[in-house]
Amino acid sequence: AQKVTQAQTEISVVEKEDVTLDCVYETRDTTYYLFWYKQPPSGELVFLIRRNSFDEQNEISGRYSWNFQKSTSSFNFTITASQVVDSAVYFCALSEVEAGNQFYFGTGTSLTVIP
Amino acid sequence: GAVVSQHPSRVICKSGTSVKIECRSLDFQATTMFWYRQFPKQSLMLMATSNEGSKATYEQGVEKDKFLINHASLTLSTLTVTSAHPEDSSFYICSAKGGTGQGWAFFGQGTRLTVV
Repeated sequence: AQKVTQAQTEISVVEKEDVTLDCVYETRDTTYYLFWYKQPPSGELVFLIRRNSFDEQNEISGRYSWNFQKSTSSFNFTITASQVVDSAVYFCALSEVEAGNQFYFGTGTSLTVIP
Repeated sequence: GAVVSQHPSRVICKSGTSVKIECRSLDFQATTMFWYRQFPKQSLMLMATSNEGSKATYEQGVEKDKFLINHASLTLSTLTVTSAHPEDSSFYICSAKGGTGQGWAFFGQGTRLTVV
């Protein structure tokens, strides 16, 4: 079974629109971490955020915000006022402490911001 | 955050040759390293997990004789793709995790391998 589900394969928005990338995860561990990474065409993974399972506070960083809800096992990512430079593939990932901290990645959401 | 350096970033090799990819933790001791492979437009899939000084644990379907992993020190793990074929062309990325207190792993920059 897929531990991390990103249902949106591709999203296109017009510049300055807001966009939310969905992420749903599945785990039986009580201690785990959730991540979002950005992967531009060059390939490297750009770390965006890490959240541990005990911290459900939402976080805002500039135009980025994250909504972590354990009740629905979701960790959604919103980009406000999107820009062309936001175009990339975004991966949500789960790291389970009891499983040795290997990462389980979602299938990624390819975001295209149209100027 | 901790730094993981992966080298080379890009490599092109001829079919039948072997290629070695290095993954180094620069400012911490990596007790565990992970190797992932990513095919175009796909997600990252775990290939193997290595602990310093012991044999790597490979995921189902990954040929251990083809993808040799050595984690000889607490700061270096290597992945050698032996007798590479065009179907091995992919993006390979490592991640490293430290010991006590570090609950997550850090990623290298990745290596794009092209076998011609």
